[in-house]
This record gives sequence, structure tokens and C-alpha cells, in this order.
Amino acid sequence: ETGVTQSPTHLIKTRGQQVTLRCSSQSGHNTVSWYQQALGQGPQFIFQYYREEENGRGNFPPRFSGLQFPNYSSELNVNALELDDSALYLCASSTGTGGYSGANVLTFGAGSRLTVL
Amino acid sequence: GQNIDQPTEMTATEGAIVQINCTYQTSGFNGLFWYQQHAGEAPTFLSYNVLDGLEEKGRFSSFLSRSKGYSYLLLKELQMKDSASYLCAVRNAGNMLTFGGGTRLMVKP
Repeated sequence: ETGVTQSPTHLIKTRGQQVTLRCSSQSGHNTVSWYQQALGQGPQFIFQYYREEENGRGNFPPRFSGLQFPNYSSELNVNALELDDSALYLCASSTGTGGYSGANVLTFGAGSRLTVL
Repeated sequence: GQNIDQPTEMTATEGAIVQINCTYQTSGFNGLFWYQQHAGEAPTFLSYNVLDGLEEKGRFSSFLSRSKGYSYLLLKELQMKDSASYLCAVRNAGNMLTFGGGTRLMVKP
């Protein structure tokens, strides 16, 4: 089975620009979540998509938005980039959401490293 | 709110045992995860605890006490390849993970 793949792996943008990051979920997974990981810190939850709808959001402003497509792949869009947006953006996929038992482990991709100048 | 604390850095010797602690205060609890992350790579799943007690998986074990808001990851027979960051994360009812800052473990010969 294929894992979670993300693109691009690295990119550089300038302040005020917009960026789109892409994620293909692991085969059989229908839930995608996005995390931001600043250098030397743990990942922070941005939002989660299940069946093409956002069903959870962390403490991020509206300029962070996303989409999930019928094949469960996903995009993260960030508008009006700021210097503090420089980070590793991790996508994770899993099966199902909420109210379940068992581990339901999140499988992470290797991330997209964004540098904002 | 959620608050998860773990030491920033630890150093241990090859072949030794190391214990990485994690304390948490959360508004909802639906399991605790440990992930390993090598520099520049994806976090990879190590262990999961939802009930109190010890879960053992090869050289790695993880312990949970829900009443104390406490977990630890125990690594035995340390190898150089175990040098990595170890992330403690608590899951809420919606499968959303709140991570601690990570513990960078350096294994020395």
C-alpha cells in the first residue's frame, strides 16, 4: 500500500503571496488532517477533513483554508503569507473520525517545507 | 484547553535504557500516542495507550496513568538509529492530536 505523499517538498515564497500544498492520502483512508510544525517544535493542528467537509479546526486564522476531493486527496491553501508561516506542513490520513475505538493511527507524509521571505 | 509537557532534550548511551516522560492537561482524552521523528522526515507511529498500564512492543514500551495525566516512553537497548525526536500527543474525541514540543534524544557511543 502507498503511504501519504505530499508536494512540493520544498518551496520559497515572499510575504503577501499565496501558496497551495497538496496531499494524497494513504490507500483506504478517508480522513485528512493538516499540521504546522515550526522548527524545533511539535506539530500544531490546523484542520481536518472528512468526506470533503471540514470537521475540526485548530487555532489558525481564516487565511488558512483547505479542500478535500472525492478521492480523499487534499489541499492546504494559505493566503497573504507572513514570515511566521515558515514551517514544515504535515499532512496525515486516517480511517474514520470521532467516536471510534482502537488506535486509528494517523499516518503522516514527509511534509512540505515552506520558507517565507 | 490542552497542555502537554515533555523534556526538550535527553542524552543516553548506546545499549542503555532511557525513559521519556510526558505530562498532559486536556479538556478531552481519547488516547495518547508516541511518534518518532527523524530530522527532515515524517513522524512515524510508535505506540498507543488509552487504558492505564504498560504497552510493550519490542524494545519500546509506553505507560499511561490517566488519573495523573502522565505517560512515559521507555526505550531499551538503545541504538544509534534511535537518535530522533519523540513526540507525545493526546487525541480528543474528533481524532485531532495535540502534540507536545517533542524530546530530542541523542544516543552516544
